[in-house]
Amino acid sequence: DAGVIQSPRHEVTEMGQEVTLRCKPISGHNSLFWYRQTMMRGLELLIYFNNNVPIDDSGMPEDRFSAKMPNASFSTLKIQPSEPRDSAVYFCASTRNTEAFFGQGTRLTVV
Amino acid sequence: QKEVEQDPGPLSVPEGAIVSLNCTYSNSAFQYFMWYRQYSRKGPELLMYTYSSGNKEDGRFTAQVDKSSKYISLFIRDSQPSDSATYLCAMSVSTSGTYKYIFGTGTRLKVLA
Repeated sequence: DAGVIQSPRHEVTEMGQEVTLRCKPISGHNSLFWYRQTMMRGLELLIYFNNNVPIDDSGMPEDRFSAKMPNASFSTLKIQPSEPRDSAVYFCASTRNTEAFFGQGTRLTVV
Repeated sequence: QKEVEQDPGPLSVPEGAIVSLNCTYSNSAFQYFMWYRQYSRKGPELLMYTYSSGNKEDGRFTAQVDKSSKYISLFIRDSQPSDSATYLCAMSVSTSGTYKYIFGTGTRLKVLA
């Protein structure tokens, strides 16, 4: 299995632009998580899905952030409009039981 | 107060030393306790997990959970330069048919050759 696949690996964008991060979970995993990692705040849970249904989005920092999971093999995290303070590494993880498998992350820089 | 607290370090030790990494938590509903290792510019990878209070060994690594004190530890014996990474504790609780995972901020460890 290829593991959790995230794209792009790096994204540099200008403030105000829309940014879309993509995730393909491991086949057969029924839960998907989006995390944001910064030096100051560590790994923060933004939102998670179970069987493609959003369960808890209380970690989404603002209305500028939205996430979708249209099917079991794809999820997106969108930021519109982006701001410099959104710069971070965004991770997607999928699970079937107790172990969460992480992707390689998307390093987002908003200038 | 954060649900999971972890000293960010950094922690520098000489090769061969015993390393102790710790986390405290406030939510008594947490069921699984995990340690993840994250190398620079990589995603976290599961190192160990445990369900109950007590110790669990895997090679040079020992995970310890004390539910009464809400305290977990990871010990690394005979530490190696290849152990240099960020170590994140994580805890999960069952919710709505799945598990919610909460992570500590991570402790950066450097093992000096």
